[in-house]
Amino acid sequence: AQSVTQLGSHVSVSEGALVLLRCNYSSSVPPYLFWYVQYPNQGLQLLLKYTSAATLVKGINGFEAEFKKSETSFHLTKPSAHMSDAAEYFCAVSVKGGSEKLVFGKGTKLTVNP
Amino acid sequence: DADVTQTPRNRITKTGKRIMLECSQTKGHDRMYWYRQDPGLGLQLIYYSFDVKDINKGEISDGYSVSRQAQAKFSLSLESAIPNQTALYFCATSDLRGRGNTEAFFGQGTRLTVV
Repeated sequence: AQSVTQLGSHVSVSEGALVLLRCNYSSSVPPYLFWYVQYPNQGLQLLLKYTSAATLVKGINGFEAEFKKSETSFHLTKPSAHMSDAAEYFCAVSVKGGSEKLVFGKGTKLTVNP
Repeated sequence: DADVTQTPRNRITKTGKRIMLECSQTKGHDRMYWYRQDPGLGLQLIYYSFDVKDINKGEISDGYSVSRQAQAKFSLSLESAIPNQTALYFCATSDLRGRGNTEAFFGQGTRLTVV
């Protein structure tokens, strides 16, 4: 069965600094990988997804993630944090040809300091 | 209007009461899901449905039941609510044709408190 581990339940950065949120996955078959963002009092919104077309995936709001099979990782980055990036971020995995339900990590809460 | 609508948005209920959370969608998706979110635990799948006649248990289905009344409607019931069911509940949909590589679309959530 597939699983996701997000390293760090809380990450704090200064405005303008690099954002790095870590995600490692476990899957016996090639996975689909997703990053979702949850702003306060809202549902989850897709940031980006990996579907095997390209290992470097660009998403909304300047975020990107790189799929590294050898490291089983899919870390989320943004070169320069903005105050509006403060939110909780979830990594998720699903598999091709399976039940296709998403398995989520526990989430990382990002704080951006002025 | 939102593509995935959950009602109510907030609910306080007493232990032992039956409560239903409703979800409707206008995206035309076949697949619908109910998730529960607890702080520090991420989202856990309660039930999912691939069409009106196909309903499946998720990771944490005990104490919950669902009904897929139509392609666009998927309701979650707590037959006898207990305090540890206090959580944020999300409904989501996805497209059958995506075969796993399409995103799930989430409702705004229902915050349920059982006292």
